[in-house]
Amino acid sequence: DVKVTQSSRYLVKRTGEKVFLECVQDMDHENMFWYRQDPGLGLRLIYFSYDVKMKEKGDIPEGYSVSREKKERFSLILESASTNQTSMYLCASTLGASGSSYEQFFGPGTRLTVL
Amino acid sequence: AQTVTQSQPEMSVQEAETVTLSCTYDTSESDYYLFWYKQPPSRQMILVIRQEAYKQQNATENRFSVNFQKAAKSFSLKISDSQLGDAAMYFCAYRRGGNQFYFGTGTSLTVIP
Repeated sequence: DVKVTQSSRYLVKRTGEKVFLECVQDMDHENMFWYRQDPGLGLRLIYFSYDVKMKEKGDIPEGYSVSREKKERFSLILESASTNQTSMYLCASTLGASGSSYEQFFGPGTRLTVL
Repeated sequence: AQTVTQSQPEMSVQEAETVTLSCTYDTSESDYYLFWYKQPPSRQMILVIRQEAYKQQNATENRFSVNFQKAAKSFSLKISDSQLGDAAMYFCAYRRGGNQFYFGTGTSLTVIP
């Protein structure tokens, strides 16, 4: 079974701190994604990566950056955390083959609170 | 931009009854894929069912089935014989050519014993 893990389930940070959220998948998936999930807004894509060192902006990239140095690991970085970044963050991965029927596999999520 | 609309923020169903969750989407593509995901409380999001747009036959997975109406751009999920474990947030998702998925805002399903 595909396993997608995230470094923390719960995280509390202060405004202005630099925050790293880590995601690791163990099935050699090409594509990895970061979403934020907010009530009433569903899942919104922050960034995704289709290969090592490759990234593309999603719908809400402002205030975030990402890093993918190894195929299995995709990091989300909040350079200077703000209270409006308090949210649930979900990582997902999927096999390549752009436009295929392969589904996304999700991690358990990180609930980030910025005080 | 692609949009996926789930017009029912909350639904409830009596245990053992049937419930249908609605999803509509907006696209000009002819080839794409549709998914329903389930997110139980405090648990990981998992795939429930998928549908390829080129297939006319509606997908089924045990108690879960879809009603895919391509012309109407509608993709509803039917849960038969509802069980307490079906209580969750359900998300409809769309994927066309490319790597990006588009999700609806979710429907929270309550199962009443």
